[in-house]
Amino acid sequence: AQSVAQPEDQVNVAEGNPLTVKCTYSVSGNPYLFWYVQYPNRGLQFLLKYITGDNLVKGSYGFEAEFNKSQTSFHLKKPSALVSDSALYFCAVRDKTGGFKTIFGAGTRLFVKA
Amino acid sequence: EAGVVQSPRYKIIEKKQPVAFWCNPISGHNTLYWYLQNLGQGPELLIRYENEEAVDDSQLPKDRFSAERLKGVDSTLKIQPAELGDSAVYLCASSRQREGLDEQFFGPGTRLTVL
Repeated sequence: AQSVAQPEDQVNVAEGNPLTVKCTYSVSGNPYLFWYVQYPNRGLQFLLKYITGDNLVKGSYGFEAEFNKSQTSFHLKKPSALVSDSALYFCAVRDKTGGFKTIFGAGTRLFVKA
Repeated sequence: EAGVVQSPRYKIIEKKQPVAFWCNPISGHNTLYWYLQNLGQGPELLIRYENEEAVDDSQLPKDRFSAERLKGVDSTLKIQPAELGDSAVYLCASSRQREGLDEQFFGPGTRLTVL
């Protein structure tokens, strides 16, 4: 069965420092991987996705993520955090054998301190 | 382009009452999703439509929940009767492509409180 794990409930980082939000997954087939961000009282917004090709994916607002097949991970990264990056981040996975049903992680809250 | 529109944004009802949520997806998006999001959790799929057809409703509690997507555009999600445990945010999302390669676009959600 498909599953997604975000091992950290919360990540704290100082503004200007690099940030990493972790995600690991389990699927039967080739994974399609997504990151979404949620600001208070708003719906989820798409950040980036991995479908195939280069393992390093670049997305919106300076975020990037690295697909690591051997470690079944898809960690979200940003070289220099901004206070405005503070939000709730969700990793999601789907695959063909799962009928393309999207499974979301529980979310990681990112706090960026000025 | 206009985003996914949901209404109402907030709804407070007493248990055993009915409630309905409405969603208008992005124009041209054939796939529509309804999710339930509990506090501190990720969204959980309730139902997915491809045009008018419900292709995945395995997680929809059919004894009290129902959904429809007439004409393959707008959709309505209904709960009757509501229970205390139904308090949550109900998210609607849409996407272009059927085979799951495209990202989903989410509406702002409807926050339901059942008293």
